[in-house]
Amino acid sequence: QVQLVQSGAEVKKPGASVKVSCKPSGYAFTGYHIHWVRQAPGQGLEWMGWSNPNSGSAKSAQRFQGRVTMTTDTSIRTAFMELSGLRYDDTAIYFCARGPLLVGAFDFWGQGTLITVSS
Amino acid sequence: DIQMTQSPSSVSASVGDRVTITCRANQGINRYLAWYQQKPGKAPKLLIYDASSLQSGVPSRFSGSGSGTDFTLTINSLQPEDFATYYCQQANNFPWTFGQGTRVEIK
Repeated sequence: QVQLVQSGAEVKKPGASVKVSCKPSGYAFTGYHIHWVRQAPGQGLEWMGWSNPNSGSAKSAQRFQGRVTMTTDTSIRTAFMELSGLRYDDTAIYFCARGPLLVGAFDFWGQGTLITVSS
Repeated sequence: DIQMTQSPSSVSASVGDRVTITCRANQGINRYLAWYQQKPGKAPKLLIYDASSLQSGVPSRFSGSGSGTDFTLTINSLQPEDFATYYCQQANNFPWTFGQGTRVEIK
């Protein structure tokens, strides 16, 4: 069965960086995009960007450009999202999700990773 | 960015009721609209994709309709496990965007 397993919760100081991993299983890793979506406490969902394990390309929403790096490592079938210059308002649950290589919905999601930015 | 506006923001309903949630885009998105259900502490779950296609394993009491800018999620005969927050999401224009969510509460 399809599963996406994410790394555990982390606490970071303002200005630091965090790297979240997402390890899918149960399907061909290079056949789908990996998307990243975050959710601040008590708030809605915010799409951050996607990475393409097949091509190695990635694309992020403009508001995160320059701060977010989304990568994939096909040798270990894992996707990564690194966010730098952390601010207090980056405190959120970060989800990875599977999406089609063309446009479409996210049919499987990771369990989420809580990133807390605190001094 | 395309703005997605859901209404209502919350709705109180009883088991067995029909619930309708609306999602409006501020520009046309063809039929690239998905609906998700999220329960507290859980990841979102895909219910509907391409505006009206039911995701595998999702009960048939959930249905979606619409195209262009106006879309609807309908839950027929609300069940106890349906009390949750629902989000729409467009995938027609980069960046993908979500609605603000609609909370379905027990009356």
